[in-house]
Amino acid sequence: NAGVTQTPKFQVLKTGQSMTLQCAQDMNHEYMSWYRQDPGMGLRLIHYSVGAGITDQGEVPNGYNVSRSTTEDFPLRLLSAAPSQTSVYFCASRAWAGERTGELFFGEGSRLTVL
Amino acid sequence: GESVGLHLPTLSVQEGDNSIINCAYSNSASDYFIWYKQESGKGPQFIIDIRSNMDKRQGQRVTVLLNKTVKHLSLQIAATQPGDSAVYFCAEPPRGDGQNFVFGPGTRLSVLP
Repeated sequence: NAGVTQTPKFQVLKTGQSMTLQCAQDMNHEYMSWYRQDPGMGLRLIHYSVGAGITDQGEVPNGYNVSRSTTEDFPLRLLSAAPSQTSVYFCASRAWAGERTGELFFGEGSRLTVL
Repeated sequence: GESVGLHLPTLSVQEGDNSIINCAYSNSASDYFIWYKQESGKGPQFIIDIRSNMDKRQGQRVTVLLNKTVKHLSLQIAATQPGDSAVYFCAEPPRGDGQNFVFGPGTRLSVLP
């Protein structure tokens, strides 16, 4: 199993550009999520999904869109990139959205720089 | 509000020594915690978890201690190795209808030769 796969690993954007970070998991997990990680801030939840067709906002959703058309994929879209969105982004998934579990599987991360 | 935080942002230990990474939480109703390890350039990986019906849980070279009285937990790594160099997070999984993990900011462990 590949687990959680994110692409691209690195990206540089200019202010105002848009892009999509891709995330795919092959573990048949219902729950998928996107976090951003900034120095001294820890991991902050952007958006999450508890199943195909269902998405919800996390702690810092502004400037980002998500969709969940399949169980496997959960892309994160930056609509109009801003320097404040320079960060490392992690996609994570786990089984059974309604169950408390510590087994949150993370991708390797996507480092985004907005100039 | 709820928080899960660590006492020190960095920790340096000699190879072979034991490491102790601490974490405090604020919600006395918290009953489940996990530790993640994040190596440089990688995503966090699950290490070990502990529920409130336990005071101690052991894994391979790692032990987590939970003190509910003072709302504190710690991760102990025995015979620290260079491969243990990473950032360690304590985290509280969501409960009830919430879906958000609460992550601490992390402690960077550096293993000195």
